[in-house]
Amino acid sequence: TAGITQAPTSQILAAGRSMTLRCTQDMRHNAMYWYRQDLGLGLRLIHYSNTAGTTGKGEVPDGYSVSRANTDDFPLTLASAVPSQTSVYFCASSDSPGSYTFGSGTRLTVV
Amino acid sequence: GQQLNQSPQSMFIQEGEDVSMNCTSSSIFNTWLWYKQEPGEGPVLLIALYKAGELTSNGRLTAQFGITRKDSFLNISASIPSDVGIYFCAGQLFSWNTDKLIFGTGTRLQVFP
Repeated sequence: TAGITQAPTSQILAAGRSMTLRCTQDMRHNAMYWYRQDLGLGLRLIHYSNTAGTTGKGEVPDGYSVSRANTDDFPLTLASAVPSQTSVYFCASSDSPGSYTFGSGTRLTVV
Repeated sequence: GQQLNQSPQSMFIQEGEDVSMNCTSSSIFNTWLWYKQEPGEGPVLLIALYKAGELTSNGRLTAQFGITRKDSFLNISASIPSDVGIYFCAGQLFSWNTDKLIFGTGTRLQVFP
């Protein structure tokens, strides 16, 4: 099925540990995004990539890093997780203004 | 940073009723979009608006791009149980280096039979 695949679906992570959230798309979209969703705050942009080889910071980038080695993959890394990073993380891609395709999310709990 | 104020935060309605929700911004946007999110899934695009004053329908859904480019509303007519979910507005401001979306805080809709 075409679209965005995120892995894992959920994870419990000890504080201080590192983790990479995976995101893969098969639509050959140039732009990709990482959002976090927290109750009452909607979706907030963490990092984005307009095309392979480029990345940029969003609204809440601290504590996160990304890479875009190719068109299809856009992993998000937490170098040293903290409880405030407990959230649901969504990856998205787009090839036209506003028309984002979202993955099903990764629910992360940092304890 | 830019903020989108979305209201109401939640709605509990009877099946068959009409629903209205809106979004306002302190900034001007080039595009307004409305997404729906169902439990355990990511948001799905419902309607995209590209011109100030534009009124667009998608089945029972109607959305408008405000003339000031700082607001938008979404109406759902004759609601049905499958309309349940969280509705997000989103604004997009094109710049030289990105076209990222800013999302509202969401309206949680519950429909009772």
